[in-house]
Amino acid sequence: ETGVTQSPTHLIKTRGQQVTLRCSSQSGHNTVSWYQQALGQGPQFIFQYYREEENGRGNFPPRFSGLQFPNYSSELNVNALELDDSALYLCASSPVWDQYEQYFGPGTRLTVT
Amino acid sequence: GESVGLHLPTLSVQEGDNSIINCAYSNSASDYFIWYKQESGKGPQFIIDIRSNMDKRQGQRVTVLLNKTVKHLSLQIAATQPGDSAVYFCAENIPGAGSYQLTFGKGTKLSVIP
Repeated sequence: ETGVTQSPTHLIKTRGQQVTLRCSSQSGHNTVSWYQQALGQGPQFIFQYYREEENGRGNFPPRFSGLQFPNYSSELNVNALELDDSALYLCASSPVWDQYEQYFGPGTRLTVT
Repeated sequence: GESVGLHLPTLSVQEGDNSIINCAYSNSASDYFIWYKQESGKGPQFIIDIRSNMDKRQGQRVTVLLNKTVKHLSLQIAATQPGDSAVYFCAENIPGAGSYQLTFGKGTKLSVIP
């Protein structure tokens, strides 16, 4: 069984650019959540996708958007990048039988210069 | 100004001893709690979870205790090993809004002394 995978591993972007991060959920999982983790802090909830629709959003501006595809994989898009967007972006998937449980991928390290 | 987030509480434990990591959670309505282990450069790894209708749950070498009266959660690791060295986060699910979104604590760094 394959766990949650994310791509790319690392990314460097310039302020004002746009970025797309990708996540493949674990087999049997239909819900995907995205989190932002700044250095030295706990992850912060960005949003969650279920049945290809946004199902809850944290305190992040609209320039953070996402998609979920029929195979339950997901994308996180961030427009107009700011320096403070530099962080580890984590994707977590939840199984059909228990949506409380969230299993994380390795993350994408985004650096904005 | 000071960046509080960078000053993680640290727990140093001798190899073979038991570790206890504590967490104060924020919301009395929280119905689900989970402990994660995060090693440097990796994503959080699920350790153990507990629902609010329980006060204790045991796994392999780990026990989670929940005290709803004082909104306190603890993770006990038996016979701590060097591989247990990591940052440990507790997280809670606050019901509402129809989604399952975890709110994380600040984390505790566990250092195991060989």
